[in-house]
Amino acid sequence: ETGVTQTPRHLVMGMTNKKSLKCEQHLGHNAMYWYKQSAKKPLELMFVYNFKEQTENNSVPSRFSPECPNSSHLFLHLHTLQPEDSALYLCASSQVSGLAEGTQYFGPGTRLLVL
Amino acid sequence: AQSVSQHNHHVILSEAASLELGCNYSYGGTVNLFWYVQYPGQHLQLLLKYFSGDPLVKGIKGFEAEFIKSKFSFNLRKPSVQWSDTAEYFCAVTSNSGNTPLVFGKGTRLSVIA
Repeated sequence: ETGVTQTPRHLVMGMTNKKSLKCEQHLGHNAMYWYKQSAKKPLELMFVYNFKEQTENNSVPSRFSPECPNSSHLFLHLHTLQPEDSALYLCASSQVSGLAEGTQYFGPGTRLLVL
Repeated sequence: AQSVSQHNHHVILSEAASLELGCNYSYGGTVNLFWYVQYPGQHLQLLLKYFSGDPLVKGIKGFEAEFIKSKFSFNLRKPSVQWSDTAEYFCAVTSNSGNTPLVFGKGTRLSVIA
């Protein structure tokens, strides 16, 4: 158990559905991240939140919408997804101190299948 | 922009064989380097990290990695692998001089056969 939990663990949705992924970290960290892990591709950073403020949006399509209500919770709202969005979505957290980013701790991921 | 190259996509070894997984990065500044491991059905876990100091870093489960600055490399090694080391291994880098995101390699799948 890394202290980062994600729900749901598996999700199947149609292209017209709206769903949300949830991430919670119990480590007292001040930064949270969403990554996409697809087969045979590197982990792709999607969004970064430092102190609840979004500091990175890695050219992610608008059908993915993040929300960070506090430093412990992070959501990824999904709507009108495409089949190519099927992947493992990973949440991570870290303690950012000054300019340096600390070690990231990952959750188990949500396996998403878009039909 | 930073990038990370892991040269081997899939490595197959017999138990007790020695392991070396290559990792090269491109970045001109001072870096923090990481190796993460993902066992089948489990989440990404930190194996070891280098921030500064001794370039030979020891991690969990008998793994070590050596930072060679002149070669921009951070190869992962283990003298004798076990079946339980079967997993996917990811090298990652970030700058320690600015708030830059962690950049991952594509990963190397290690299969250890009895």
